[in-house]
Amino acid sequence: SQKIEQNSEALNIQEGKTATLTCNYTNYSPAYLQWYRQDPGRGPVFLLLIRENEKEKRKERLKVTFDTTLKQSLFHITASQPADSATYLCALDLDGNNRLAFGKGNQVVVIP
Amino acid sequence: GAVVSQHPSWVICKSGTSVKIECRSLDFQATTMFWYRQFPKQSLMLMATSNEGSKATYEQGVEKDKFLINHASLTLSTLTVTSAHPEDSSFYICSAREATGQGGEKLFFGSGTQLSVL
Repeated sequence: SQKIEQNSEALNIQEGKTATLTCNYTNYSPAYLQWYRQDPGRGPVFLLLIRENEKEKRKERLKVTFDTTLKQSLFHITASQPADSATYLCALDLDGNNRLAFGKGNQVVVIP
Repeated sequence: GAVVSQHPSWVICKSGTSVKIECRSLDFQATTMFWYRQFPKQSLMLMATSNEGSKATYEQGVEKDKFLINHASLTLSTLTVTSAHPEDSSFYICSAREATGQGGEKLFFGSGTQLSVL
């Protein structure tokens, strides 16, 4: 069956350090992979999109890698700040038309 | 950036009543909108794809007669939960695609609607 797995345990990290989150998937062949941020009781906010032919994408303090052989994406927040505390969602584009399948998300808590 | 407005943000209703949720793209036209449902601590589950001027496409296991979707204009899609029951209580979220012509366009999400059915 198809699965998108993100670590269910919250990641507690000291301010200034780099937070690294993992997204693993099975039985998918996505053309795109996206990362979103979700705060409690709010809708997701788009962060980054990476295509299957891209290895790495950066945006300010965020970096995403995409390994289609390992079926894995890594999401990095460098120089983390308390304001980065949120749940981060990995999403796969099922057919290139924005029909997205989401992971459960990984909570990040940045400790001042 | 593009803004998607969703209304209401929360609603409480009695079992058996119908509830309508609106999703508007405020500063762009959205030919396609998506509706998701999210239970606590769970992932967002895609319910249906809403296309302007045509019938919605529902995901497997989603009852189209239960969740009525109307996308009558390029800026508005509505989801009506008909004859709501307590098991329909959930967080409903819409999203819209802003076309950039590159494929795999990013989605903009509404702020969600928390539905509680008593």
